[in-house]
Amino acid sequence: GAGVSQSPSNKVTEKGKDVELRCDPISGHTALYWYRQSLGQGLEFLIYFQGNSAPDKSGLPSDRFSAERTGGSVSTLTIQRTQQEDSAVYLCASSPRYEQFFGPGTRLTVL
Amino acid sequence: AQKVTQAQTEISVVEKEDVTLDCVYETRDTTYYLFWYKQPPSGELVFLIRRNSFDEQNEISGRYSWNFQKSTSSFNFTITASQVVDSAVYFCALSGGVMNRDDKIIFGKGTRLHILP
Repeated sequence: GAGVSQSPSNKVTEKGKDVELRCDPISGHTALYWYRQSLGQGLEFLIYFQGNSAPDKSGLPSDRFSAERTGGSVSTLTIQRTQQEDSAVYLCASSPRYEQFFGPGTRLTVL
Repeated sequence: AQKVTQAQTEISVVEKEDVTLDCVYETRDTTYYLFWYKQPPSGELVFLIRRNSFDEQNEISGRYSWNFQKSTSSFNFTITASQVVDSAVYFCALSGGVMNRDDKIIFGKGTRLHILP
């Protein structure tokens, strides 16, 4: 498809486990963003990439969160030692310039 | 610091009524961008509009219109003759300040709009 894709769509994990969330941006989009949306809440900025570098990591909630992007394309958001408060929908967006196109999100549930 | 405030948490109107969603922003940047996004019950965010800080001209797109007023730091969104399909959460967002470069977008907490049949 032509849109942003994210996998898995749903992830249930146990507290303390590590999880990896994947984002496939629209081909050619240079910027990639990760956001988190808790139930009934707005979007919380986590990190964004220009190419493979991350100019702004200020939104990452703790050092348990990390993200990388390779080849200016796919990005992975890793959460180590998950906690129940990490439960949320994690949204990825890509942008050719200014306008962001969002993926469907990964719903993470930490038991 | 950048901030977006959507004071209306939830609004309900009867179909065919007009409704305005408020958005007030704070930024120290002289150049910035403002956005509106729609999040229907399906969950996927849909881009509606982007406006740069140099362009205060109001915009109309079908039943949607946007009123950007720099003097009051507001970027309000009006839906005319609302329809049930307009029911969604609407987010206002702000991006700072460097031309020709993407920057993080700060979102408001959203306004949940219910259009009643």
